[in-house]
Amino acid sequence: EPEVTQTPSHQVTQMGQEVILRCVPISNHLYFYWYRQILGQKVEFLVSFYNNEISEKSEIFDDQFSVERPDGSNFTLKIRSTKLEDSAMYFCASSPQYSNQPQHFGDGTRLSIL
Amino acid sequence: AQRVTQPEKLLSVFKGAPVELKCNYSYSGSPELFWYVQYSRQRLQLLLRHISRESIKGFTADLNKGETSFHLKKPFAQEEDSAMYYCASSGNTGKLIFGQGTTLQVKP
Repeated sequence: EPEVTQTPSHQVTQMGQEVILRCVPISNHLYFYWYRQILGQKVEFLVSFYNNEISEKSEIFDDQFSVERPDGSNFTLKIRSTKLEDSAMYFCASSPQYSNQPQHFGDGTRLSIL
Repeated sequence: AQRVTQPEKLLSVFKGAPVELKCNYSYSGSPELFWYVQYSRQRLQLLLRHISRESIKGFTADLNKGETSFHLKKPFAQEEDSAMYYCASSGNTGKLIFGQGTTLQVKP
């Protein structure tokens, strides 16, 4: 069964540095999402992406965050200048042709900011 | 605003006992409701969605619009059901709003 893949599985970065989290969604999916989960808290929506543009973003997704689909297969989340509070598990998800179809999640990237 | 509430952080039952994981939602429109499961060291996986009305691994969930609930039930819990369970709702924009999650612990 096709899967969403995320790399790296764990990223350790100094505060203030830029970080890029990578995701390869399932190939025929058209809707892409990023979520994050701070340790001990709920999974929170960050951003959704369709047709090469952001379709919705949460309050968390401020100017420090950006997403890109640079080559038709990867879907990346960039945090420009990381803060301690960005430490979390970041999940990528994708869904098929229409929204409100079940989302398929990757294994997540654990981001640790020092 | 959409909100999903799972009141129990931990539910511990013995093997063979019935299980009910509670989920309540608030949404002004007609949401889609889902249950996702995360087994130890694995990814979030879709378990059920209300629209399909199916039973997966013996679990069922009924949408009760009057009580705004979508509780997950299984008549006889198995040890392999031990996992983290997340209730989630989705409006017409596709984003998922998750509850806090409930850890189900099935003891032998």
